[in-house]
Amino acid sequence: DSGVTQTPKHLITATGQRVTLRCSPRSGDLSVYWYQQSLDQGLQFLIQYYNGEERAKGNILERFSAQQFPDLHSELNLSSLELGDSALYFCASSAGGGGYNEQFFGPGTRLTVL
Amino acid sequence: GIQVEQSPPDLILQEGANSTLRCNFSDSVNNLQWFHQNPWGQLINLFYIPSGTKQNGRLSATTVATERYSLLYISSSQTTDSGVYFCAVVYFAAGNKLTFGGGTRVLVKP
Repeated sequence: DSGVTQTPKHLITATGQRVTLRCSPRSGDLSVYWYQQSLDQGLQFLIQYYNGEERAKGNILERFSAQQFPDLHSELNLSSLELGDSALYFCASSAGGGGYNEQFFGPGTRLTVL
Repeated sequence: GIQVEQSPPDLILQEGANSTLRCNFSDSVNNLQWFHQNPWGQLINLFYIPSGTKQNGRLSATTVATERYSLLYISSSQTTDSGVYFCAVVYFAAGNKLTFGGGTRVLVKP
């Protein structure tokens, strides 16, 4: 158990809908990262927050948005869902915001868009 | 951007066998991590090893940063070692994100 929690574990929804994925980092970690794992794209970085502020952005679609709250939990919002958004979404956390910090991954949320 | 290549892509082992997985990266890195993705999809941290050698039970890893590669050794493999092993790096010019290799899929047969 990495100490990073994600809810829900599974989510099945229809095209055009909106969903919210939730992540709580390890105790004491200030940085949260979101990654997407799909069959065709592999594991890809989406976005990073550090202590409530956006720190880095990757290949995140405009239909997707995220935020980190004062209690440091984070939410990833996916809207106007398409079939291709079906994937495993991971949250990771690290103590600091820099690249030298080890990242620890949550169990993931498996999203299926029908 | 940085390229991360893992070999071999697939590995079939008999229980009890030893194996070596390789990760090559194309530029200097700040961070290198090895993960095991189990059949249930969970990503488990194995090593944080930007340089040097570490051991944890039957697993060990070595990173030679100057030559831009890392090796993961599995000794006396068990069926629970099955899954996909990923190498991931943080490339200093690309911010703090982990860039993942394509993985090595390992199947350990009883």
